[in-house]
Formats: sequence, C-alpha cells, structure tokens
Amino acid sequence: AQSVTQPDIHITVSEGASLELRCNYSYGATPYLFWYVQSPGQGLQLLLKYFSGDTLVQGIKGFEAEFKRSQSSFNLRKPSVHWSDAAEYFCAVGGSGGSYIPTFGRGTSLIVHP
Amino acid sequence: DADVTQTPRNRITKTGKRIMLECSQTKGHDRMYWYRQDPGLGLRLIYYSFDVKDINKGEISDGYSVSRQAQAKFSLSLESAIPNQTALYFCATSGTGNTGELFFGEGSRLTVL
Repeated sequence: AQSVTQPDIHITVSEGASLELRCNYSYGATPYLFWYVQSPGQGLQLLLKYFSGDTLVQGIKGFEAEFKRSQSSFNLRKPSVHWSDAAEYFCAVGGSGGSYIPTFGRGTSLIVHP
Repeated sequence: DADVTQTPRNRITKTGKRIMLECSQTKGHDRMYWYRQDPGLGLRLIYYSFDVKDINKGEISDGYSVSRQAQAKFSLSLESAIPNQTALYFCATSGTGNTGELFFGEGSRLTVL
C-alpha cells in the first residue's frame, strides 16, 4: 500500500529565511510524487510534480523539490520565504500500482513571521 | 470561471438531514474524485469515478453515496448526516494521461449540528 508521512505538523519561519518541508513516502514501484499548496479558504494547487528524469524538480512560486530514492523522500524547498507562502502544504504519492490515485500526507502548516 | 466548481461552498445542516454536494467541471476530464479534509488528517478519498459508468469506493465511503450524472458532473450525498461528517469536502478531476495529477475545486464546508 502506498503512504506518505509529513513529519512536521507546523513549521514556523521568518520572512526571507529558507524553507524545507519534509516528505517521506512508501511505494512499491517508481512513484509519482506531488506537492500541493492550500491557501486559506482555497482549494489545493499543484506546486510541482515528479514522474521521472531529473530528480530535482522546479515548481511555481520559486519552490523546488528533490526526489531521493534511497531515502524515500521528496522534500520541498524554497531559498527565501515570503509572507504570502503561509499556507498548508501537502505531499502526495501515486503511480501505476495504485491506478494513479494519489495518497496524501497529513499536511504541514507553514507560518511566516515578519 | 473555475474549471472545477463545487456547490454549495458552505452548508450548515442538522443531524439526520439528507445533503447533496455537487461538482461540475469544464476540463473535459474523465476521472473525478471526492475527498474529505479534516484538520491533522490530510485528504482522504471517499469515492472516485473513472468514467460515467464506473464508480468506486475510497477509503472512507461509509455514510456516503455518489452519482456520476455525466462526464462533467459528480455528486456526493450524505443520506442521513451526522456530526462527525462535519468537514471540508473537495471534488477533484484528473485527465486520461494517468499521472495522478489532480485539479481541485475550492471546497464545500459542511457543518452538521
């Protein structure tokens, strides 16, 4: 069965600081990996995705993530956080083994201090 | 206009009432999903449909039913609502590229008193 663990429920950073949100997955084959962001009162928006190829993927809003097969991780990073990045972030895993239906982690809430 | 539209956006109801949440999409996608979001639990899959004649239960389907009226419409019903069904509900779609990338509506917040 596929699963995702986001170890951090809340992360607090200062504006301008760097950010890393952790995501570990369990999947029996090559996974498809996603990061979504949910701003307050909004639906989820795709930040970036990994299917194959280059393990460092670039997304929208200056985010990037690195797929590390040996660590079963897909951590999300941003070099300099803006106040508007405050939101809930969800990691998800899917693939052919699960009919491409993604399983989501429990989310990490990002708080940005001025 | 949004590609995935959910109605109502907010609903307060009482225990035992029947509730329907509706979802329509203009993305032309075959696959549609209903997820439930609870604080600290992330998104959990309730039902999904790969085409009009295909309906499948997700991990938390008890107490819910769905109807796929057309390719573009997928409704979620609570036949007799109970307070622990208070949650934020999301409809999502995905295309036939089989990647699992989802496109979400803005959510329907349901409160059952």
